[in-house]
Amino acid sequence: NAGVTQTPKFRVLKTGQSMTLLCAQDMNHEYMYWYRQDPGMGLRLIHYSVGEGTTAKGEVPDGYNVSRLKKQNFLLGLESAAPSQTSVYFCASSKQGESTEAFFGQGTRLTVV
Amino acid sequence: GENVEQHPSTLSVQEGDSAVIKCTYSDSASNYFPWYKQELGKRPQLIIDIRSNVGEKKDQRIAVTLNKTAKHFSLHITETQPEDSAVYFCAASIWTGTASKLTFGTGTRLQVTL
Repeated sequence: NAGVTQTPKFRVLKTGQSMTLLCAQDMNHEYMYWYRQDPGMGLRLIHYSVGEGTTAKGEVPDGYNVSRLKKQNFLLGLESAAPSQTSVYFCASSKQGESTEAFFGQGTRLTVV
Repeated sequence: GENVEQHPSTLSVQEGDSAVIKCTYSDSASNYFPWYKQELGKRPQLIIDIRSNVGEKKDQRIAVTLNKTAKHFSLHITETQPEDSAVYFCAASIWTGTASKLTFGTGTRLQVTL
């Protein structure tokens, strides 16, 4: 049982390049989330999904797109990377319903130069 | 939307002393308040949580209190140890009817010195 796994762990992009971050969970969780973590700003929600085929915007969605084609996977895309998107990205998943624990992946450190 | 404020941003205590971290939230509809611990370079992990129908919860050296009227909640760590050194995040969750959305505080870096 691997929990939540993110790919890749590190990446350096040039401004304007695109990339996709993959999140996979093996806990059969309905809900999945993408956060970014910046110094002094905590974890901010980018997009989330309440089930296969559904996505919704979070607090800071601009510049990102997501897809949930399979229940176990949640993809985060950057179409044209900008230096402001330099951050550590965390994926999380949780069971359906109120007040359920969120389990986090190990994070992806992305640098845009 | 929900806004969660967390204080202090850094906290240094001597081993064996207690540490208290405080958070306030803005949306009275929030009903779930977890605390996460993040060690350097690691993922956040849940250490304790409290639901809105409970005023206090304790798990060994860790306790959380909730004051719904004042909209604030606190984490208390007693008999601190060096392994408690980490960044701690509070969060508040609102149930929208179809999703549970967590809003995090900005974190407290706790350092336990010998």
